[in-house]
Amino acid sequence: DAGITQSPRHKVTETGTPVTLRCHQTENHRYMYWYRQDPGHGLRLIHYSYGVKDTDKGEVSDGYSVSRSKTEDFLLTLESATSSQTSVYFCAISVGQTSNTGELFFGEGSRLTVL
Amino acid sequence: GDSVTQMEGPVTLSEEAFLTINCTYTATGYPSLFWYVQYPGEGLQLLLKATKADDKGSNKGFEATYRKETTSFHLEKGSVQVSDSAVYFCALLSSGGSYIPTFGRGTSLIVHP
Repeated sequence: DAGITQSPRHKVTETGTPVTLRCHQTENHRYMYWYRQDPGHGLRLIHYSYGVKDTDKGEVSDGYSVSRSKTEDFLLTLESATSSQTSVYFCAISVGQTSNTGELFFGEGSRLTVL
Repeated sequence: GDSVTQMEGPVTLSEEAFLTINCTYTATGYPSLFWYVQYPGEGLQLLLKATKADDKGSNKGFEATYRKETTSFHLEKGSVQVSDSAVYFCALLSSGGSYIPTFGRGTSLIVHP
């Protein structure tokens, strides 16, 4: 399973509150991703990281920020949660310490509900 | 830009039927191609991959062949089981140093006993 864990697995919060989701890996893989999955939309990339302190936006980055201060942790923050951010969030890593193989391992997902 | 197109679902089959899920792609160069499977309540798992033309990826009875001439990577299984019920995603990673895999929308497979 490439040693990837997400926390929390489930969270219910209120509109306007900040939320941070954590993705932790134990194998020093360079590339990490945050996706959201919604019915009818498949997987959509929010942000990704290609190294410590190196991050970039995906296709649905508005309202989200990320940080990667060390290799093993990739944090996704919703500064002020909205109901449209109710979703299942998946973290993924690309196998390979240096190059990107495109072979992704996914976490088990974090289900977020914004009331 | 890169894109992956999968057949719309759901695909509904009886146990032991033959499965094909179509996947075609648009990409420059020679991408790597992947099939992922997502069981209910879980994250995606890599099912199989192929990295060059005419390669065949296989795993758990599933197969897919990288067809450069038709830009396709169709997923097949000779005899499906109820336990194969899941959502299947086709994906690619372009050659040339891309960081971002491109996913299809996913195809739901329902297998009845």
